[in-house]
Amino acid sequence: QVHLVQSGAEVKKPGASVKVSCKASGYNFITYGISWVRQAPGQGLEWMGWISGYNGKTNYAQNLQGRVTMTTDTSTSAVYMELRSLRSDDTAVYYCARVDGSEGAFDIWGQGTMVTVSS
Amino acid sequence: EIVLTQSPGTLSLSPGERATLSCRASQSLSSTYLAWYQQRPGQAPRLLIYGASSRATGIPDRFSGSGSGTDFTLTISRLEPEDFAVYFCQQYGSSRWTFGQGTKVEIK
Repeated sequence: QVHLVQSGAEVKKPGASVKVSCKASGYNFITYGISWVRQAPGQGLEWMGWISGYNGKTNYAQNLQGRVTMTTDTSTSAVYMELRSLRSDDTAVYYCARVDGSEGAFDIWGQGTMVTVSS
Repeated sequence: EIVLTQSPGTLSLSPGERATLSCRASQSLSSTYLAWYQQRPGQAPRLLIYGASSRATGIPDRFSGSGSGTDFTLTISRLEPEDFAVYFCQQYGSSRWTFGQGTKVEIK
């Protein structure tokens, strides 16, 4: 069975960094990409970026360029999302999602990681 | 960037009724890259429809998607209690994705 399991909740101070992990199982990791999506409390879904499981190529949302970095570790089938210079409006649930290669839909989602930014 | 606008913001219906949700794109997009998701409170989103009209694995046939160009529709033929949730449309193009703002289907 295909699963994406994310790391646990984080509390950070403004200006700090956070790194969230997403471990994949049940499929060939290198044949799919992973996207990250975040959801502020009571708000909608915001796409943050995508990373290829094959070669680590990335594509980030313009509003996060320079603050976000996504990486993979193919030896452990894990994807990491690091967000720097955290602000209070980065408080959100962060999801990783597997990207279907042909239609671009997000067919499998992680359980979500709550990141709280507060002084 | 393609902007997706969903309507209505909230839909108040009773179990057994038909729900029709709209997603309008700011420019024409390929039907291949239009998807719908359901999100229940406290849960991660779940893929319902991809390619505008194909049901994802395990999705009941009361869910259907249609549309092309700039206008897309998600229809739930007969609402079940578990269908009261928030629904998002999503588009993909040039290795970038955007979501609509969501439609909440609530019990009347």
